[in-house]
Amino acid sequence: GENVEQHPSTLSVQEGDSAVIKCTYSDSASNYFPWYKQELGKRPQLIIDIRSNVGEKKDQRIAVTLNKTAKHFSLHITETQPEDSAVYFCAASIGGSQGNLIFGKGTKLSVKP
Amino acid sequence: GAGVSQTPSNKVTEKGKYVELRCDPISGHTALYWYRQSLGQGPEFLIYFQGTGAADDSGLPNDRFFAVRPEGSVSTLKIQRTERGDSAVYLCASSSQRGGQFFGPGTRLTVL
Repeated sequence: GENVEQHPSTLSVQEGDSAVIKCTYSDSASNYFPWYKQELGKRPQLIIDIRSNVGEKKDQRIAVTLNKTAKHFSLHITETQPEDSAVYFCAASIGGSQGNLIFGKGTKLSVKP
Repeated sequence: GAGVSQTPSNKVTEKGKYVELRCDPISGHTALYWYRQSLGQGPEFLIYFQGTGAADDSGLPNDRFFAVRPEGSVSTLKIQRTERGDSAVYLCASSSQRGGQFFGPGTRLTVL
């Protein structure tokens, strides 16, 4: 079945450094790729998304890149801050941006002050 | 505006009992999704509604699980004959035509 692989599972960086999280997906029909941030005990929060007709999207300190040929997409966080510490999930849609999402297993990001 | 809400926030039940979990989507959102999340894992898709009808229920693990959305707004996830393995956080999300799924706070279900 469809699968999303996410790496690394944990990531520790110093405040101010950049963090990169990578995902691969298996279904070539996937065309929508959101990223969620989840703090302990809280709901997943949509932080950025990208559609398959775009290669890169940026929102302040966060950017996402997509390589459709390789079925890779990545989240880049620059100038990390302690409040960026959380679990980040990538996901790929089945059947368009309103289709169901297949999630990766998550990356626990720790930003040390 | 108000986000997705879910009730109850916590539910403790005994093995074999029936439970209902409720989701109120963002007003005007046509699509509604149910996921469940176990500790240390990403959300796992269960079922997706477009309006009143289930557009995709392929994620429901077995026939003990059922969901309805009779008026195209509020949805109820129903679990019969609960088992300990059903314990998880059940998340609801909704989206508009523009896409982007917004999650509720979840219901933590514990089956003793």
